[in-house]
Amino acid sequence: DAGVTQSPTHLIKTRGQHVTLRCSPISGHKSVSWYQQVLGQGPQFIFQYYEKEERGRGNFPDRFSARQFPNYSSELNVNALLLGDSALYLCASSLDNQPQHFGDGTRLSIL
Amino acid sequence: GEDVEQSLFLSVREGDSSVINCTYTDSSSTYLYWYKQEPGAGLQLLTYIFSNMDMKQDQRLTVLLNKKDKHLSLRIADTQTGDSAIYFCAEREQTGGFKTIFGAGTRLFVKA
Repeated sequence: DAGVTQSPTHLIKTRGQHVTLRCSPISGHKSVSWYQQVLGQGPQFIFQYYEKEERGRGNFPDRFSARQFPNYSSELNVNALLLGDSALYLCASSLDNQPQHFGDGTRLSIL
Repeated sequence: GEDVEQSLFLSVREGDSSVINCTYTDSSSTYLYWYKQEPGAGLQLLTYIFSNMDMKQDQRLTVLLNKKDKHLSLRIADTQTGDSAIYFCAEREQTGGFKTIFGAGTRLFVKA
């Protein structure tokens, strides 16, 4: 069975641009969460979606938004990129109240 | 607010046991997890424990939970060089959403 898949694997953007990151959950998983992992730190929670509804949001500015589609895949959008947005963005999926399984992430570099 | 703390580094010899410690603050947490991250990769779920359990064993891994002290540990028996990685402790909130709070990670070095 395929695990959580994320695309693209790497991305380079410049300040002020916007970016869309994509995630496909494990088949049957209806919950998708997004995390930001800055080098040398643990992942920081950004959003959780369940059945296309936002269920939780971390301490991130409104430049960060997300959505979940009917097939449970998800997109994370970041507008007006800043140098500090450079990080590994991780997507995780789970059955409703079960442990999360992570993808390999999208490494975003802002120049 | 919620917080998870871990020591940053641990170095052991191959064949020895490794013990990675973690403290957390949210007493309402329902799940506590251990994840492993190798260079350039995402997080691999190693094991987890419900908050109403004291211990869980899974092959070479033993998780101990002291709920009174909010202390979680991961013991890896017969540590191998392939165990070298960063290990993250995490707690899952029960209230205010379902976010998972991670520690900063413990980097485990295994010397041959």
